[in-house]
Amino acid sequence: AQTVTQSQPEMSVQEAETVTLSCTYDTSESDYYLFWYKQPPSRQMILVIRQEAYKQQNATENRFSVNFQKAAKSFSLKISDSQLGDAAMYFCAYRSQGGSEKLVFGKGTKLTVNP
Amino acid sequence: SQTIHQWPATLVQPVGSPLSLECTVEGTSNPNLYWYRQAAGRGLQLLFYSVGIGQISSEVPQNLSASRPQDRQFILSSKKLLLSDSGFYLCAWSVGGLFTEAFFGQGTRLTVV
Repeated sequence: AQTVTQSQPEMSVQEAETVTLSCTYDTSESDYYLFWYKQPPSRQMILVIRQEAYKQQNATENRFSVNFQKAAKSFSLKISDSQLGDAAMYFCAYRSQGGSEKLVFGKGTKLTVNP
Repeated sequence: SQTIHQWPATLVQPVGSPLSLECTVEGTSNPNLYWYRQAAGRGLQLLFYSVGIGQISSEVPQNLSASRPQDRQFILSSKKLLLSDSGFYLCAWSVGGLFTEAFFGQGTRLTVV
């Protein structure tokens, strides 16, 4: 069964600094998708960034980038130039491709941004 | 455009009462549908997912059940609620077979008293 592990329950960063959130996953599949979601206090789930497993190039979305290491089954999120609005719960997610279409989330990392 | 509706937003139910939460999606066909539960300050626990009408996969054995009576309708039910069923329930959908993210409803906060 696919599992997603986020080993950092809480992280903090100073405004304008860079922070990296860790995520590892376990799967026997070769094709899959990985995502990072943000959940602010409103509890609305917002997609931050996504990555296809067959792509070696790391995804980037403005200040957000990932370090995808397929062999190590690692998918970390780097937030550059952190802003107060980045404070939220961040969830790493794994989705199977085809067949089951199962979407599994980690337990989340609570990010605090200090002014 | 696609939208997802989830209701009610808040629900307070006594122990032993039945439950029915409904989720509908508009603007797409044959979506994958998901039900998650999120305990306070915790992660999203996958409860059920469905890739088509009548096709339900259960992830966590418990007193909850799910049904998909129509292509874009996903219902979470219980015959008798337990205190431990309290939590924040999220419905989500995604497009099957394509590289798209899941889109989430606004959630239902269920308190069992």
